[in-house]
Amino acid sequence: QKEVEQDPGPLSVPEGAIVSLNCTYSNSAFQYFMWYRQYSRKGPELLMYTYSSGNKEDGRFTAQVDKSSKYISLFIRDSQPSDSATYLCAMWGGSNYKLTFGKGTLLTVNP
Amino acid sequence: DVKVTQSSRYLVKRTGEKVFLECVQDMDHENMFWYRQDPGLGLRLIYFSYDVKMKEKGDIPEGYSVSREKKERFSLILESASTNQTSMYLCASSSPRENTGELFFGEGSRLTVL
Repeated sequence: QKEVEQDPGPLSVPEGAIVSLNCTYSNSAFQYFMWYRQYSRKGPELLMYTYSSGNKEDGRFTAQVDKSSKYISLFIRDSQPSDSATYLCAMWGGSNYKLTFGKGTLLTVNP
Repeated sequence: DVKVTQSSRYLVKRTGEKVFLECVQDMDHENMFWYRQDPGLGLRLIYFSYDVKMKEKGDIPEGYSVSREKKERFSLILESASTNQTSMYLCASSSPRENTGELFFGEGSRLTVL
């Protein structure tokens, strides 16, 4: 079993839709959970991070972590064409230098 | 503003050439990383460095080497480029003083080996 599983998509939605992006993981040592957004031909940039279980909201974006199920989600409300990008989940156990990444989900929001 | 700069955005090289990819960060970060990103394979760690002159192999170091002579600069070297090294290369940095593990990425260097 891979440490982090993420459905690669592609996911195509109409403008205004609610988008749900998900990752599952197997390593119970992970404590920090991140979502990166990567526009085409650009480097990833941090969108949100969450420590341990719970929810975190930032504008139209909500990140959820369920450590008991080893499942994390990113919700995008009122999606916009500018949200079209690849979204990568990433996780860190806090004890070494390396993040563990999902493979990314390609999202297209159609006007 | 936080900045990781990769000197070349697009490169085309021939098989067997020596290739240098340069990365500079201005955040005084101790940790620096080189990843490659390929469709369907995601981000794969090639090498990382947690201090000047220190380096550790990542998941796919074969065919690559690195150099970190100064804190702000981390170079990736392909001693003899091969076609299977055609990829997007991403440099990143982080600080152990930040307890989130957040990585700051450059914009990437797209290398084509013919």
